[in-house]
Amino acid sequence: DGGITQSPKYLFRKEGQNVTLSCEQNLNHDAMYWYRQDPGQGLRLIYYSQIVNDFQKGDIAEGYSVSREKKESFPLTVTSAQKNPTAFYLCASSTLRGDFSFGPGTRLTVT
Amino acid sequence: GNSVTQMEGPVTLSEEAFLTINCTYTATGYPSLFWYVQYPGEGLQLLLKATKADDKGSNKGFEATYRKETTSFHLEKGSVQVSDSAVYFCALRPPGGATNKLIFGTGTLLAVQP
Repeated sequence: DGGITQSPKYLFRKEGQNVTLSCEQNLNHDAMYWYRQDPGQGLRLIYYSQIVNDFQKGDIAEGYSVSREKKESFPLTVTSAQKNPTAFYLCASSTLRGDFSFGPGTRLTVT
Repeated sequence: GNSVTQMEGPVTLSEEAFLTINCTYTATGYPSLFWYVQYPGEGLQLLLKATKADDKGSNKGFEATYRKETTSFHLEKGSVQVSDSAVYFCALRPPGGATNKLIFGTGTLLAVQP
């Protein structure tokens, strides 16, 4: 079955460490996205990529970085510059027509 | 700019009650509108969508009608079940443009009690 895989489901890190969240899709979708979810704030767009080797900042890109070396993969690095990294992170992909699929999410806790 | 406003939760209902979750939007032109559902600890699943004015999206007993005149896309269900307990997100996709970004509301938690 086609879908989006995010790993791990739960991730714990110490403050000051960079951490990379994995996102892989086998839907052959061109575009991929990272959203952050916080209680009471809905989903906010961090970064998105419409094509391999290209990506754009979303609304809250500060403290994050991404790469898109392969169509199937869009890893997100949460750097030590991100002031409040503890959150639920959702990866998504879409067709050019705009049909979205979402991954199961990774809950990151930084202490 | 483009934005989505939905009613704050939590919404607590008894089983078989009628559900309405309000959603209004601000956008130029004619966006596509969506309702997504998120069950505890999971990602988002598309519940229904509407792509033009007066369209009605429906799925699993849920319905929503795209009202251009009131810029609304309220979610309704005639008889909720305990299994409907989840967070519901209203979202829009701006018309045209080169990207397909989704803009989400803050989400509404629905709790259905037996």
